Amino acid sequence: SQTIHQWPATLVQPVGSPLSLECTVEGTSNPNLYWYRQAAGRGLQLLFYSVGIGQISSEVPQNLSASRPQDRQFILSSKKLLLSDSGFYLCAWSMGQLNTEAFFGQGTRLTVV
Amino acid sequence: GENVEQHPSTLSVQEGDSAVIKCTYSDSASNYFPWYKQELGKRPQLIIDIRSNVGEKKDQRIAVTLNKTAKHFSLHITETQPEDSAVYFCAASMTGNQFYFGTGTSLTVIP
Repeated sequence: SQTIHQWPATLVQPVGSPLSLECTVEGTSNPNLYWYRQAAGRGLQLLFYSVGIGQISSEVPQNLSASRPQDRQFILSSKKLLLSDSGFYLCAWSMGQLNTEAFFGQGTRLTVV
Repeated sequence: GENVEQHPSTLSVQEGDSAVIKCTYSDSASNYFPWYKQELGKRPQLIIDIRSNVGEKKDQRIAVTLNKTAKHFSLHITETQPEDSAVYFCAASMTGNQFYFGTGTSLTVIP
């Protein structure tokens, strides 16, 4: 069966520090991968999605970047965090076929102080 | 990209009553509409989905309807129970490569 791992679960970082969140998927190959951000009391904002290694699409301009160095690994990064980067970050994957659901990781609660 | 709007943002119902959450989407090319439930501090999980070739789908106390012409779809929960309390998200996908979510509805079921 397929599983998705996301870490860390919580993170407190000072403003201006770098960020690296990692997500890996097991049990499938060539998945579509996603990073979402959920601000307090708000919806799920799509940040990045990837349909293959090295293929990253950004939905919104921001202080973050994403990379996919391996088929089932998706990394969210920042060189210098801003206070506004605080939120709940969710990695997700889907089969990449039409009409199939997205499965979410456990999420990372990021607080920038 | 696709724009998904969701209403209401908060909803309180008495246990046993029905709850309805509505969503609209902007891109007529969207053809897959999942609904997710997110309990506090946890990941969203799929509860039901509907594809564009179907107008209605039901799974026990949960049903979803889709009106392609009007570009809106709705979640119906009947005989609500306290464990139904959570945040519910609708989403639309047109290619299977991107999922656009609504802003969420916080449902509270009052015992």
